[in-house]
Amino acid sequence: AQKVTQAQTEISVVEKEDVTLDCVYETRDTTYYLFWYKQPPSGELVFLIRRNSFDEQNEISGRYSWNFQKSTSSFNFTITASQVVDSAVYFCALSELRRGYQKVTFGIGTKLQVIP
Amino acid sequence: GAGVSQSPSNKVTEKGKDVELRCDPISGHTALYWYRQSLGQGLEFLIYFQGNSAPDKSGLPSDRFSAERTGGSVSTLTIQRTQQEDSAVYLCASNVGAEQYFGPGTRLTVT
Repeated sequence: AQKVTQAQTEISVVEKEDVTLDCVYETRDTTYYLFWYKQPPSGELVFLIRRNSFDEQNEISGRYSWNFQKSTSSFNFTITASQVVDSAVYFCALSELRRGYQKVTFGIGTKLQVIP
Repeated sequence: GAGVSQSPSNKVTEKGKDVELRCDPISGHTALYWYRQSLGQGLEFLIYFQGNSAPDKSGLPSDRFSAERTGGSVSTLTIQRTQQEDSAVYLCASNVGAEQYFGPGTRLTVT
């Protein structure tokens, strides 16, 4: 089983639609971090959010929101009123403490295309 | 600059040649990571440095791959006798806490 599963490989939406990107993770640790990164066509990974395992509060930042549910080991990402600039590959990642450092495992990414 | 930098941005090499990829982490970041991203794939962990030592090399795919870090700063990833399957984007990241800051990557093409 994969540690981080992003089941949606590609999603296409029309501009202004809402879209949710799914992420399911697997860990035996009680303390860990979860991340979302955006990789636009330019290629550079852009940090979006970090969430630690003890903080299950949902977070909203502008049009972005994240839903963290430990009970289902999910950390889903919703973009409201999508825009063309949101087109990118989005990676979910899990960070676990291993050998004294944070080892990060990435999902394979979800490619989002927002059509004007 | 304030971010992680990598050079070269693009590298085209012939099969069998050696290549060196460079990473300049953010000043003061003690941890440094190398990842590989093949076309349409996620990020594959290669190696982790804490200071100049590499406590986790478990992701290096073969003995043709090696990396070093000097002065707790710049790191070099070396691929010897390159193969076509080595073609990918090689990403470097650094951090001091849980969040990693990524460089722009080096796109390696082996012909």
